[in-house]
Amino acid sequence: GDSVTQMEGPVTLSEEAFLTINCTYTATGYPSLFWYVQYPGEGLQLLLKATKADDKGSNKGFEATYRKETTSFHLEKGSVQVSDSAVYFCASGHFGNEKLTFGTGTRLTIIP
Amino acid sequence: DSGVTQTPKHLITATGQRVTLRCSPRSGDLSVYWYQQSLDQGLQFLIQYYNGEERAKGNILERFSAQQFPDLHSELNLSSLELGDSALYFCASSLRAGGAGELFFGEGSRLTVL
Repeated sequence: GDSVTQMEGPVTLSEEAFLTINCTYTATGYPSLFWYVQYPGEGLQLLLKATKADDKGSNKGFEATYRKETTSFHLEKGSVQVSDSAVYFCASGHFGNEKLTFGTGTRLTIIP
Repeated sequence: DSGVTQTPKHLITATGQRVTLRCSPRSGDLSVYWYQQSLDQGLQFLIQYYNGEERAKGNILERFSAQQFPDLHSELNLSSLELGDSALYFCASSLRAGGAGELFFGEGSRLTVL
């Protein structure tokens, strides 16, 4: 079955630093790819998504590009803020399939 | 606020007991998913219902069962609880059964088994 591998956390950065959280996937066919974010005490919420190769998802200054050749969907942000502190989950899913496969999550802490 | 409501938010119980977790999906969503989040296993898909019918089953133990009622709310029943069942249980909903679209998550029910 499908699987998603994320970089191990936790990650601690200073405010305004550049962020990269790596994500690679293993899947049959061409899945859709997602980044979800979980703020403290809340459920997961969709941050961005890409549905086909070379698509770039973006939201709130975060970006991720669907790279078929490297089976990757790395999350990036040019200048992080304290409010970005959260747990980030990479996920994959197929059209017509009923579930998303999530990575283990990466805890991000931004210090002022 | 995602529009998905889960109760209870916290639950502490003993080994061998049975608990029921409840989920009300977003208004209009027909599909409900249950996920288990534990420290060592990450976010694991348990089961999905669509418009009252079981649609997909993941890594759900035989001690666990779920159903979706005519008003579309869902319940996850956990029985013969073990220490290892301690986790955060999330419910999510979506409009359609498939499509790999966006899931809307509740805030979770934290179960502690002592």
